[in-house]
Amino acid sequence: EAQVTQNPRYLITVTGKKLTVTCSQNMNHEYMSWYRQDPGLGLRQIYYSMNVEVTDKGDVPEGYKVSRKEKRNFPLILESPSPNQTSLYFCASSRANYGYTFGSGTRLTVV
Amino acid sequence: RKEVEQDPGPFNVPEGATVAFNCTYSNSASQSFFWYRQDCRKEPKLLMSVYSSGNEDGRFTAQLNRASQYISLLIRDSKLSDSATYLCVVTDSGGGADGLTFGKGTHLIIQP
Repeated sequence: EAQVTQNPRYLITVTGKKLTVTCSQNMNHEYMSWYRQDPGLGLRQIYYSMNVEVTDKGDVPEGYKVSRKEKRNFPLILESPSPNQTSLYFCASSRANYGYTFGSGTRLTVV
Repeated sequence: RKEVEQDPGPFNVPEGATVAFNCTYSNSASQSFFWYRQDCRKEPKLLMSVYSSGNEDGRFTAQLNRASQYISLLIRDSKLSDSATYLCVVTDSGGGADGLTFGKGTHLIIQP
């Protein structure tokens, strides 16, 4: 089944403890991106990647890192999470000129 | 800064009615346009792409007006299952390589 898989689905962590949210797609898509969704603010792009080893900042990249060492994987790294990074996170992938397919989301709480 | 504006609603509509949403986008160079549907904080799902010539998929019709920079979605014969948040989405690069810019969504409630 063609899909985007995010892990974990739910995570509660403490301020400053490094974490990684994984994202993997099995559709051989070139494009991948990360979004966060917050009440009243909608979905905002964090980082995107056009292909392996090609990444760029979106609208809200502060406090996040990404890597694209393989085409299928695009992990989101929070080196030192803070409470304002508590959010619902979505990973998505696409090929050129098609709409994006989203993962099921990761609900992160930083205390 | 690129922006996509939508009326947040909620739109309360009786079952069987026709409902229309619009959205406007700020970047005249935007390349691709979509409507996504999102249920109860689940992942957004692609509803349909939007073209200048207009396109239809069953009860759904989408239209793009590049001159006025707005996008519309029409839902005919609405069903209870159409209740959701509808997200207007644009990309600024050809093909969507730089990801998506979302409107904040329009909340639709279909009432029996």
